Amino acid sequence: DQQVKQNSPSLSVQEGRISILNCDYTNSMFDYFLWYKKYPAEGPTFLISISSIKDKNEDGRFTVFLNKSAKHLSLHIVPSQPGDSAVYFCAASPSTSGTYKYIFGTGTRLKVLA
Amino acid sequence: ETGVTQTPRHLVMGMTNKKSLKCEQHLGHNAMYWYKQSAKKPLELMFVYSLEERVENNSVPSRFSPECPNSSHLFLHLHTLQPEDSALYLCASSHGTGTEAFFGQGTRLTVV
Repeated sequence: DQQVKQNSPSLSVQEGRISILNCDYTNSMFDYFLWYKKYPAEGPTFLISISSIKDKNEDGRFTVFLNKSAKHLSLHIVPSQPGDSAVYFCAASPSTSGTYKYIFGTGTRLKVLA
Repeated sequence: ETGVTQTPRHLVMGMTNKKSLKCEQHLGHNAMYWYKQSAKKPLELMFVYSLEERVENNSVPSRFSPECPNSSHLFLHLHTLQPEDSALYLCASSHGTGTEAFFGQGTRLTVV
């Protein structure tokens, strides 16, 4: 039973446009959410996170939105650049339960076209 | 440069071999993790250590044996693996809960 889902396996966006990556979760205990970027043959690199007490967090070109009632989060990249082409993973954690656990989605492959 | 270093980067082993994967973190974190990434699957959490004590064991077969001698080092001992165990094995560390985890580059394991 997958608790974190990324339903779009791939996404293509023109350079300069907005990339929107989506993620859904099922476990109401999750209260901390993260996005990672992964290039081939490398480990995931942390991008941005959000706590459930917020609905938006911004860091440069990256913004994460959280809709707790819908159990949905999204990552917006504006403007998209060719170097953003990678696989993006959404992850969730039940941090206030005291357990050390990050549950990942299957990833979305983003391709930014020059 | 990563604060989490994994060795080796690539490993090919036979089903009767015994090998170990090593992970070292230089970030002063107190929790360390082993994840497995197989093709077309999400990253699967295998083991978690907090302050050198195992706090999570996600129904992993006994042919995988973790060891955490101190808060900076984590090992994954492998013995009598199966071809389906071939995957990318990722180590991560974090400073408590509610913070981001940092990953190493991974070990690409092939079991023949």
